[in-house]
Amino acid sequence: DAKTTQPPSMDCAEGRAANLPCNHSTISGNEYVYWYRQIHSQGPQYIIHGLKNNETNEMASLIITEDRKSSTLILPHATLRDTAVYYCIVRVAGGNQGGKLIFGQGTELSVKP
Amino acid sequence: GAVVSQHPSRVICKSGTSVKIECRSLDFQATTMFWYRQFPKQSLMLMATSNEGSKATYEQGVEKDKFLINHASLTLSTLTVTSAHPEDSSFYICSAMGLSNEQFFGPGTRLTVL
Repeated sequence: DAKTTQPPSMDCAEGRAANLPCNHSTISGNEYVYWYRQIHSQGPQYIIHGLKNNETNEMASLIITEDRKSSTLILPHATLRDTAVYYCIVRVAGGNQGGKLIFGQGTELSVKP
Repeated sequence: GAVVSQHPSRVICKSGTSVKIECRSLDFQATTMFWYRQFPKQSLMLMATSNEGSKATYEQGVEKDKFLINHASLTLSTLTVTSAHPEDSSFYICSAMGLSNEQFFGPGTRLTVL
């Protein structure tokens, strides 16, 4: 079972920031928070990941709370092409679990003009 | 980023036939590959994990004799759906993981069984 909880859907106006929340209250100390997104009928696309520090790359920012029980993915200036299902996943990097990704239901983000 | 390809992108077959789907890592060596399937309006479900040169590890409820996985090289894994039936119609997606421990996904294969 997925170890994360996300709202099923969200809307965002084009050009505004999209803030996607994720709860992972049972996260273990060696588990990372990963975000992927899936545009309709395509394979998932990696966005960003982090352990406990906030992270930023060219696509997004990831804010992880100090207790690591929740996180927020921020798309600073959403465009219509950001419309997708966004998945928040906790994952052990390597080891016996082999880094498996277990997908939950994700958040369907609709960016509207 | 690393590139993973799948072939074919879509396939239609008759009930009872077998279908092979290829997953290739194009610019890196994949020590581990994963196979997922996704039904309409649902999330991805992990089917199996394959390591190069060894038998695949299947998730609970996935029939290993129905979904044959071969990972013969560090750049190629294949999934064969044997004796396919309409309920096997789905979107099959692979991912590949190299030494960086990051997973990169293929574009998916749409299987339709008539």
